[in-house]
Amino acid sequence: QVQLLESGPGLVKPSETLSLTCTVSGASLSSDYWSWIRQPPGKGLEWIGYIHYSGSTNYNPSLKSRVTISVDTSKNQFSLNLSSVTAADTAVYYCARDHRRGTTSYYYDMDIWGKGTTVTVSS
Amino acid sequence: DIQMTQSPSSLSASVGDTVTITCRASQSISSYVNWYQQKPGKAPKLLINVASNLQSGVPSRFSGSGFGTDFTLTISSLQPEDLATYYCQQGYYTPRTFGQGTKVEIK
Repeated sequence: QVQLLESGPGLVKPSETLSLTCTVSGASLSSDYWSWIRQPPGKGLEWIGYIHYSGSTNYNPSLKSRVTISVDTSKNQFSLNLSSVTAADTAVYYCARDHRRGTTSYYYDMDIWGKGTTVTVSS
Repeated sequence: DIQMTQSPSSLSASVGDTVTITCRASQSISSYVNWYQQKPGKAPKLLINVASNLQSGVPSRFSGSGFGTDFTLTISSLQPEDLATYYCQQGYYTPRTFGQGTKVEIK
């Protein structure tokens, strides 16, 4: 059974860098795409970006200048760095498998999610 | 970016009612829409992919339909455990985009 677990500091100071790690168990990172999604308090879901095990990435343009997603296949982990954070970055952060389906035409869904981790930006 | 617009933003229905949530994409996305259920305090759960494909273990009272720009999630015979917020998401283009959510409450 595939499981994802987010970890990292729950409190980050403004202007600093938010760093989170997602540990994958029950599946190899060496397949599929792996996404970060966030949800501000009381609001909807926002996709941050994904990484492929090869290292290729794709980021939401709204966050692209501040986001870096990396992968460590030896540890079966992928990570999120979000720089220059403000209070607007306070959210629950989820990691998820962005599962590629199809044969001739590919499409994707987020079929497995971590439980989420709450990050508060405050001094 | 593909905008996904859901309606209504919230609804209240009785146990046993049929509930319909709609999702409109800002441009055609074929059938590449996914639906998620998020219960309070929990992570989202994939219910339906490719517009109408019910995921394993999801009750058959959930169904999806649509193609192009207009999609529907239907819950027939609403149950108390269906209290949740439901999100549509397009699964073809990047950036991945979600609808704003529909909160389903039980009368």
